[in-house]
Amino acid sequence: EIVLTQSPDFQSVTPNEKVTITCRASQSIGSSLHWYQQKPNQSPKLLIKYISESFSGVPSRFSGSGSGTDFTLTINSLEGEDVATYYCQQTSSLPYTFGRGTKLEIK
Amino acid sequence: QVQLVESGGGVVQPGRSLRLSCAASGLTFSGNAMNWVRQAPGQGLEWVAVTSRDGRDKYYADSVKGRFTISRDNSRNALYLQMNSLRVEDTAIYYCARDSYSGPGMGYGMDVWGQGTTVTVSS
Repeated sequence: EIVLTQSPDFQSVTPNEKVTITCRASQSIGSSLHWYQQKPNQSPKLLIKYISESFSGVPSRFSGSGSGTDFTLTINSLEGEDVATYYCQQTSSLPYTFGRGTKLEIK
Repeated sequence: QVQLVESGGGVVQPGRSLRLSCAASGLTFSGNAMNWVRQAPGQGLEWVAVTSRDGRDKYYADSVKGRFTISRDNSRNALYLQMNSLRVEDTAIYYCARDSYSGPGMGYGMDVWGQGTTVTVSS
């Protein structure tokens, strides 16, 4: 099973700050890395698929990058509505796995 | 509009069974692979199972293999999760979610999610 290690687990952020969340895979996963946002008491939402493809309707301040085993979700100029938990997921090999999540809170 | 609605959750004793359903509307249900994902209270997301768009291919997380069965009825636009031999650690919100690619195969990222149904396993 491929293990995804996200960091940080938690981050206190200020509006307009640039936020970077990392996801490291225990082995190479090619481009099969996706990012989700889950706001409190809501279902997850797809943000980015295949490392860097923004899903329809996702604000342009969200972007993804990386390759092989190291991946990054970047939020440029964070807004209050971005307070949420962010998860990476790999679908390179079964069983599909998620990272443990990164929770963002406003300072 | 595009919608997935789960049902069938509840409180059940350890060792018993439960069947979850997911009703799809506003989308071409038979075109995409479908997944179940769960979230234990206060915890992160755990992928549970996936089925191909024709229902022939099915894969499971190790934690549920041999106890859970995913199935679908494309004529009814419905996805199911039969859960047997339930354990306390199966307590979670269960979400159904659609693979984002309309075509063969699976594992394209999940672009449509239901609101979830809660399963509580407790004596």
